[in-house]
Amino acid sequence: DGGITQSPKYLFRKEGQNVTLSCEQNLNHDAMYWYRQDPGQGLRLIYYSQIVNDFQKGDIAEGYSVSREKKESFPLTVTSAQKNPTAFYLCASSGSFRQPQHFGDGTRLSIL
Amino acid sequence: AQTVTQSQPEMSVQEAETVTLSCTYDTSESDYYLFWYKQPPSRQMILVIRQEAYKQQNATENRFSVNFQKAAKSFSLKISDSQLGDAAMYFCAYIAGGTSYGKLTFGQGTILTVHP
Repeated sequence: DGGITQSPKYLFRKEGQNVTLSCEQNLNHDAMYWYRQDPGQGLRLIYYSQIVNDFQKGDIAEGYSVSREKKESFPLTVTSAQKNPTAFYLCASSGSFRQPQHFGDGTRLSIL
Repeated sequence: AQTVTQSQPEMSVQEAETVTLSCTYDTSESDYYLFWYKQPPSRQMILVIRQEAYKQQNATENRFSVNFQKAAKSFSLKISDSQLGDAAMYFCAYIAGGTSYGKLTFGQGTILTVHP
């Protein structure tokens, strides 16, 4: 079945540590996105990528980094510079901006 | 900047009844798309319905329909014959074309409770 796989489902970060969230899609979509969701809130865009080896900052990129070395993969690194990383992170992909974005099941990140 | 506003933090409906969720947006673009997403307790984001701004006809998907008022910048979701499985957080979302590629802007969400 085609879809988006995010791993791990739960992740804990220690102070000063970088952690990486995985996102893989087999939908052959060109565009991929990372969102952050805080409790009771909507989604906010962190980074997005339209093609391999290219990505753009979203509205809240500070403290995060991404890479897009393969079409299928768009990992997100939460760096130690992100002082409030506790949130639910959702990865999405789409064939083009005219098409709806399909979402993964998310990763919940907490501070130890 | 584009903004999406959902003015109803919570709504409730009796099973089999109809409920309407409100959404307004602000944009200066002429080419854009609007979506309603559902987020059940599992936290998965599920596309409910989409509307192209250039289409005058309101989108419909089974029990879900929208009332798209372009001049008023309003995009409400009507759920008919509500079912217990419809209980979720519902998000209205907007995306524009051109240089705004990829920037899906979400509203704050409306929690829908369905009473048996």
